[in-house]
Amino acid sequence: SQQGEEDPQALSIQEGENATMNCSYKTSINNLQWYRQNSGRGLVHLILIRSNEREKHSGRLRVTLDTSKKSSSLLITASRAADTASYFCATGAGGTSYGKLTFGQGTILTVHP
Amino acid sequence: ETGVTQTPRHLVMGMTNKKSLKCEQHLGHNAMYWYKQSAKKPLELMFVYSLEERVENNSVPSRFSPECPNSSHLFLHLHTLQPEDSALYLCASSQDRSEGDLLAGSTGELFFGEGSRLTVL
Repeated sequence: SQQGEEDPQALSIQEGENATMNCSYKTSINNLQWYRQNSGRGLVHLILIRSNEREKHSGRLRVTLDTSKKSSSLLITASRAADTASYFCATGAGGTSYGKLTFGQGTILTVHP
Repeated sequence: ETGVTQTPRHLVMGMTNKKSLKCEQHLGHNAMYWYKQSAKKPLELMFVYSLEERVENNSVPSRFSPECPNSSHLFLHLHTLQPEDSALYLCASSQDRSEGDLLAGSTGELFFGEGSRLTVL
């Protein structure tokens, strides 16, 4: 299976609910990043968590990282219809190039008004 | 607007055509990337240019030929493509750091363009 696999593949919730997406990976990482993609558009960086960090917050986003389980989760609180998008985790092996990332297949999130 | 502009946004070409995708970044970054996004597959890293030098080529077929004339521009030249090459091609840029900067709280953000949707007939 691929490095950076998201779970679930699709998630459908009502506005105001929380959305949790999980990501698992196989090899050692330097950092893990989450990106969002609206349909047919480019990806937008949401948050980066380093391998020595366990939790990070940014606005309504909360990311956790468990390197012993090689897994991460992205929580979006109080979701809005505008959060409807695909969400990808991506792992970086380190070094100087942040862009050499391995992406998962993504979670499609649908938030119903 | 992410500061990374890709043209054209849509391209249809026959298998014998030669075309090019263009990417321009206005962020002053020193690294640029081509990624391929196919249906039901994860994004695949194709090429990495750091300081205008190609530092990675992920076993991409020779019918894809990248060019980076300066740190702001990146091209992907396409020649005799196959229908399975139809995909969304995404350009991205980042500011590469030294190892010391990795510990200094830099954002590590990768900036993507909107992509070029390629259809090969």
